[in-house]
Amino acid sequence: QSVLTQPPSVSGAPGQRVTISCTGSSSNIGTGYDVHWYQQLPGTAPKLLIYGNTNRPSGVPDRFSGSKSGTSASLAITGLQAEDEADYYCQSYDSSLSGLVFGGGTKLTVL
Amino acid sequence: QLRLQESGSGLVKPSQTLSLTCAVSGGSINTDNYSWSWIRQPPGKGLEWIGCIYHSGSTYYNPSLKSRVTMSVDRSRNQFSLKLSSVTAADTAVYYCARGFPDSARWPYFDYWGQGTLVTGSS
Repeated sequence: QSVLTQPPSVSGAPGQRVTISCTGSSSNIGTGYDVHWYQQLPGTAPKLLIYGNTNRPSGVPDRFSGSKSGTSASLAITGLQAEDEADYYCQSYDSSLSGLVFGGGTKLTVL
Repeated sequence: QLRLQESGSGLVKPSQTLSLTCAVSGGSINTDNYSWSWIRQPPGKGLEWIGCIYHSGSTYYNPSLKSRVTMSVDRSRNQFSLKLSSVTAADTAVYYCARGFPDSARWPYFDYWGQGTLVTGSS
């Protein structure tokens, strides 16, 4: 059970917009620690998607965006494509646990 | 382009020690700011950070694993290593090495990952 809670699954049709939430607490996101997001395609290593809450690394399409408010963060994907079908993980630091933590992951299905 | 490659024992008997090495190419491990982490993923489950090391040798470990983890860095070979003692079946996972870049609070996020290596804890 992770201290960062993500929905186990989300789905959407091609072209639609989906959001994935990452809910934390006062010992992690609520303290102001950054949230980062990763995409893991089946059978591959995770790939950095968003860093520092809102920033996209070079090469990541602007269809992906991140936001943060209070004790939660969100990843939004617009113009959903079949190739977006993957697992998505949020990551932050937790001061109570004194370590880096990942959310439990969310499986995105493109209908 | 930075590349990380894990290597080591794929099968570890219970109570023995898991040993993995991550070879870094296309860049130096001996660079300020960057950290070097191990992250694992049990089959069908989520990601778990194991710990990180800096080129200076400073380490930070996941408190839940700290008593069993040792990380080291070999600057001459541009690689870093993980040892996890007293292995059980619960340590069966794909183990990834990754480069950490500091965020605004100086804690790392991971911008480069190795392909991962499956380690099975079983007799």
